[in-house]
Amino acid sequence: EVQLVQSGAEVKKPGESLKISCKGSGYKFTSYWIGWVRQKPGKGLEWMGVVYPADSETRYGPSFQGQVTISADKSIITAYLQWNSLKASDTAMYYCVRQGWDYDSGTLMGGDYWGQGTLVTVSS
Amino acid sequence: IVLTQSPGTLSLSPGERATLSCRASQSVGSSFLAWYQQKPGQAPRLLIYGTSNRATGIPARFSGSGSGTHFTLTISRLEPEDFAVYYCQQYDSSLWAFGQGTKVEIK
Repeated sequence: EVQLVQSGAEVKKPGESLKISCKGSGYKFTSYWIGWVRQKPGKGLEWMGVVYPADSETRYGPSFQGQVTISADKSIITAYLQWNSLKASDTAMYYCVRQGWDYDSGTLMGGDYWGQGTLVTVSS
Repeated sequence: IVLTQSPGTLSLSPGERATLSCRASQSVGSSFLAWYQQKPGQAPRLLIYGTSNRATGIPARFSGSGSGTHFTLTISRLEPEDFAVYYCQQYDSSLWAFGQGTKVEIK
C-alpha cells in the first residue's frame, strides 16, 4: 500500500527555522516526483515545488523560489520542506503529494497519493 | 499558467447535475489536466487526470472533458458525499498550478 506519512504539527515563532518531512512507503520512492502544496486556513491549494528523489532535482513555483528549500534523502525514502526564517504568513497546512504515473497509458497522473498534512503555525 | 475556475460556488440539490469550469491563461496539454475533490479536514483526492481519465475507485458519475484552454468536470447526479470543494490543476513538465476552487454546496 502506497503511503506518504508526514511529520507532526509545529508551532514556531517568527524568524525560527523549520524542516518538515514526508516519508514514502509501498512504492519505489526514487521513481516518482514528490511535490509540496500549501493551503492557508480557509483558502485554496498552492503548488510550492517538487523534487525527484533519484537525483534530487528540484523545481519551484514562482512564489516560493528562494523562500523555501525542497529536498529528498533517498536512503531513508523521505522528502523535506525547509524554511530558514519563518513568517506569520507561513501559517498553513502543508501537504506532500506523489506525482503519479499511469503505466497503462504511459502518462503522468497528477497527485495520486497525498500525505495527511502538516499544520505549521507561526506566531509570536 | 493561471487557471480560473467558475463558478466560485455552485448551489445544487442531490440528484442534480453539476458542471464545473476551468479556464487556462494559455493552452494546457490535455494529458496534463487533473481535477481534485477536497472535503473539510481532509487532503485532496485525485478524481480525474489527463482531462478525462478517472482515477482508481472514482465513480462513473464523475467525468472530465475539454482541451486547449477550457476544461470541464461534470458530476452527472450529485450524491450527498459529493458536496465539497473541487480544484483543477495543470501539471505540465512537473510545473504545477491549481485553480482557486469551486465549492459545491447543498441548496
